[in-house]
Amino acid sequence: DIQMTQSPSSLSASVGDRVTITCQASQDISNYLNWYQQKPGKAPKLLIYDASNLETGVPSRFSGSGSGTDFTFTINSLQPEDIATYYCQQYDHLPITFGQGTRLEIK
Amino acid sequence: EVQLVQSGGGLLPPGGSLRLSCATSGFTFSSYAINWVRQAPGKGLEWVSTISGSGDTTYYADSVKGRFTISRDNSKNTLYLQMNSLRAEDTAVYYCAKDTNILVASWFDPWGQGTLVTVSS
Repeated sequence: DIQMTQSPSSLSASVGDRVTITCQASQDISNYLNWYQQKPGKAPKLLIYDASNLETGVPSRFSGSGSGTDFTFTINSLQPEDIATYYCQQYDHLPITFGQGTRLEIK
Repeated sequence: EVQLVQSGGGLLPPGGSLRLSCATSGFTFSSYAINWVRQAPGKGLEWVSTISGSGDTTYYADSVKGRFTISRDNSKNTLYLQMNSLRAEDTAVYYCAKDTNILVASWFDPWGQGTLVTVSS
């Protein structure tokens, strides 16, 4: 199985900050990497697909980059509504695997 | 608007069986693979199963293989997950999620509202 390692596991930042989360795959997954946002008590929501493509309707302050084994998810100018847990997910090989999640809090 | 509305779930004893349903609307159901993903209380996301648009091809996580069966009724635009021989470690919120691909899993969007399955004596 491909292991997805996210860091940090939790993060506290101020409104307006730039926030970066990394996701490392245990083997090359090309750009088959997606990012989701999950707010408490809610279903996950797709933000980024294929490493860097912004899903329709998602604010442009969210972005993704990377390929191979190393990926980055960035929120430019953090907003209060961005409080959530963020997950990466690979689909290069079955089983589909997710990172362990990054809990984002507002200072 | 694409919608996935889940039903089923509840409290079951170990060894019990349960069927989850996911009724969909707003898209051509048979043109997309659909997935089940679960989340144990306070834990992360775990992929469970995927079924192709036609229903001919299915994929399972090792943790549920041989116990869970994914199926779909394309005439009713509905997805199912038959869960047998349930274990305490199957306790989770189960989500259905539409794929963007017809055959294999890729990215999941949107997701159903989730349904809680609790396995306990």
